[in-house]
Amino acid sequence: DIQMTQSPSSLSASVGDRVTITCRASQSISSYLNWYQQKPGKAPNLLIYAASNLQSGVPSRFSGSGSGTDFTLTITSLQPEDFATYYCQQSYISITFGQGTRLEI
Amino acid sequence: QVQLVQSGAEVKKPGASVKVSCKASGYTFTGYYMHWVRQAPGQGLEWVGWINPDSGSTKFAQKFQGRVTMTRDTSITTAYMELSRLRSDDTALYYCAKDGGKTMVREIDYWGQGTLVTVSS
Repeated sequence: DIQMTQSPSSLSASVGDRVTITCRASQSISSYLNWYQQKPGKAPNLLIYAASNLQSGVPSRFSGSGSGTDFTLTITSLQPEDFATYYCQQSYISITFGQGTRLEI
Repeated sequence: QVQLVQSGAEVKKPGASVKVSCKASGYTFTGYYMHWVRQAPGQGLEWVGWINPDSGSTKFAQKFQGRVTMTRDTSITTAYMELSRLRSDDTALYYCAKDGGKTMVREIDYWGQGTLVTVSS
């Protein structure tokens, strides 16, 4: 199985900050990497697909990059509604999620 | 608009089975893979498996093989997940989730509201 490791596990930031979350795969997954945001009591929401493509309706302050084994999710100018948990997910072989990164104020 | 509406919460005893349904609407049901993902209380997301609603083919995460069955009824655009030999650590919110890919698994673009399955004696 492909393991996905996110870092950090939690992150404190302020409104207006720029933050970066990283995700590392245990083997190359090309660009088969997606990012989701989950708020408490809600289902996850797709932010980025295929490593760097912004899902329709997602604000442009979210961006993704990387290929192979190393990927990043960047949020520029944090907004109050961005404080949530973020998950990466690979779809290269089966499906595996990272353990999540909790973004706190 | 795409909607995935799941069946209601379940309480089961250890060793029992549970079957969760997911009624899809707003898109071509047979055109996209359907995933099942679970989330234990306070924990992260765990993929259970997918079903191709067109062919009925399935693929499961290794840890669930032998205990999970996924089926569908195309006449009523509904997918089902059945988990058997339940244990207390199967207590979780179970989501059905539509894949965005037509010919291959890619990303999950829509999620159901989740079905809480509680396993307790």
